[in-house]
Amino acid sequence: GDSVTQMEGPVTLSEEAFLTINCTYTATGYPSLFWYVQYPGEGLQLLLKATKADDKGSNKGFEATYRKETTSFHLEKGSVQVSDSAVYFCALSFGNEKLTFGTGTRLTIIP
Amino acid sequence: GAVVSQHPSRVICKSGTSVKIECRSLDFQATTMFWYRQFPKQSLMLMATSNEGSKATYEQGVEKDKFLINHASLTLSTLTVTSAHPEDSSFYICSARGQSETQYFGPGTRLLVL
Repeated sequence: GDSVTQMEGPVTLSEEAFLTINCTYTATGYPSLFWYVQYPGEGLQLLLKATKADDKGSNKGFEATYRKETTSFHLEKGSVQVSDSAVYFCALSFGNEKLTFGTGTRLTIIP
Repeated sequence: GAVVSQHPSRVICKSGTSVKIECRSLDFQATTMFWYRQFPKQSLMLMATSNEGSKATYEQGVEKDKFLINHASLTLSTLTVTSAHPEDSSFYICSARGQSETQYFGPGTRLLVL
């Protein structure tokens, strides 16, 4: 079946550091790919998405590029802030079907 | 952006009672709503998918008689945890989807069964 594999956490970085959270997927066909963020005590918020190969999703300084050849959708940010501390989930779906989530990566940014 | 609300945000109940959680799409019509369960420091587990006006489709291993889902309108779905027990304590999150494929999530409901 379809699956999403995320970088094991937790990840701890200093403020202004460069962030990469790896995400790879296994699926038959070409799904849409998503990154969701969950702040403490809250539900998930859509951070960015890409619907086809080579698309780049971006939002709030975060970026991820849909790489068909490596079946990856790594999340990057050039300079993280304390307010970016959260849990990040990579996910995939086909059209209107259900989302398949990765296990989540907890990110902590230290001032 | 699309907004989804959940009520209540937190509930504490005694073992054996039933608890109803509401999920509303505030500014769009949600043809499909999803209910997830999240254990501490774990990912979301899809419990069921509901389409407006039809019966919910439950994931394998989820008891449909224990977790009753109703999707009576295009803006409201409810999850009722019947005869709740301590092992049902969890964070329940709904999401809603309209015309696009993007799911928008509610803020979650934390259930504690004593």
